[in-house]
Amino acid sequence: AQTVTQSQPEMSVQEAETVTLSCTYDTSESDYYLFWYKQPPSRQMILVIRQEAYKQQNATENRFSVNFQKAAKSFSLKISDSQLGDAAMYFCAYRSLSREYGNKLVFGAGTILRVKS
Amino acid sequence: DAGVIQSPRHEVTEMGQEVTLRCKPISGHNSLFWYRQTMMRGLELLIYFNNNVPIDDSGMPEDRFSAKMPNASFSTLKIQPSEPRDSAVYFCASRFRGNYGYTFGSGTRLTVV
Repeated sequence: AQTVTQSQPEMSVQEAETVTLSCTYDTSESDYYLFWYKQPPSRQMILVIRQEAYKQQNATENRFSVNFQKAAKSFSLKISDSQLGDAAMYFCAYRSLSREYGNKLVFGAGTILRVKS
Repeated sequence: DAGVIQSPRHEVTEMGQEVTLRCKPISGHNSLFWYRQTMMRGLELLIYFNNNVPIDDSGMPEDRFSAKMPNASFSTLKIQPSEPRDSAVYFCASRFRGNYGYTFGSGTRLTVV
């Protein structure tokens, strides 16, 4: 079974600065999807960014970008120009493309991001 | 598009009572997932449906939990009898086949006292 590890329980960043959240995963598959979700205090789960494993190019969405290292099974999230509204819990998630594992998401434990003004 | 709709948003119940959580997926989405979030265990999948059929219920903690999806626009998660350790936030999410993303509801915070 696949596992997702987020080794940073909590991170802090100064407003307008850059922060990187780490995520590693374990899988024997070659094709899969990876996601970062944001959960603000409202508890809504919001998709931040996704990456298809077959794509070598790192995904980017405005101030959010990923560093996808397939061989190392690493999928970090970089937030540039941090804003107060970025403060939230961030979850890394894996989705298999195998029929055996279905299309469910496997989540990491999450990283709390605090943004200081 | 109203998104995935869950009800109630909050539920407080006494131990031993039956609890029913409800979910209305996005119209046209054919996969539906129930997740539970706790401090200790994080986000864990309880069960998911494809085309209203339960596919994987291996995450359902015990027989006290049951889930149904009688049609494409409605699902329920029932706990009977409820226990204090069931206190958590329960999320419903849906997905359209061929799409990458999952849309989550706002969750139901369940407190069993």
